[in-house]
Amino acid sequence: GEDVEQSLFLSVREGDSSVINCTYTDSSSTYLYWYKQEPGAGLQLLTYIFSNMDMKQDQRLTVLLNKKDKHLSLRIADTQTGDSAIYFCADRLAYGNKLVFGAGTILRVKS
Amino acid sequence: KAGVTQTPRYLIKTRGQQVTLSCSPISGHRSVSWYQQTPGQGLQFLFEYFSETQRNKGNFPGRFSGRQFSNSRSEMNVSTLELGDSALYLCASSPDPNTGELFFGEGSRLTVL
Repeated sequence: GEDVEQSLFLSVREGDSSVINCTYTDSSSTYLYWYKQEPGAGLQLLTYIFSNMDMKQDQRLTVLLNKKDKHLSLRIADTQTGDSAIYFCADRLAYGNKLVFGAGTILRVKS
Repeated sequence: KAGVTQTPRYLIKTRGQQVTLSCSPISGHRSVSWYQQTPGQGLQFLFEYFSETQRNKGNFPGRFSGRQFSNSRSEMNVSTLELGDSALYLCASSPDPNTGELFFGEGSRLTVL
């Protein structure tokens, strides 16, 4: 079945860039997403990219997609302590709103 | 605009009981999805509803069921609760049934003793 994998933990210093990586197996992916979850909260959609795009930039966020290698990354520029959270990569299957999520990457930002 | 509202936020049940969780989507959103989040299995898709019809279903046993009403509000039910059903149950609504742009509620945390 479809699978999404992420590294589990990333620690960076405030002001540095963070890069969170994700790989997926679904060959028919149409959209890929990054969601953020803060403690005690639900998930918040950060950004998404169409599968026919290589890059998308949205303020401090840059998403890179390598469709050949099935690799997705999220770069957060000038990382702040408020960015500390769990970041989930997700893949939308071809039909409907069913998403397959990775296990999440815990981002810790040190001041 | 109010966000996705889930009730109850916390509940404790014992094995064998049943539970009903409720979700009110953002006004105007007709697509509602449910996910189970556990430390061991992560986020797993339960089901998705659009205009009162179930469009997708995840790999969960028949004890897990759901429905959507004409006002787009949704409920999910778990019967004959097991210890392994302890989890955060997240509801998400979407303005479009085909983009994966989900707006999540804060979840209902179920503990089964």
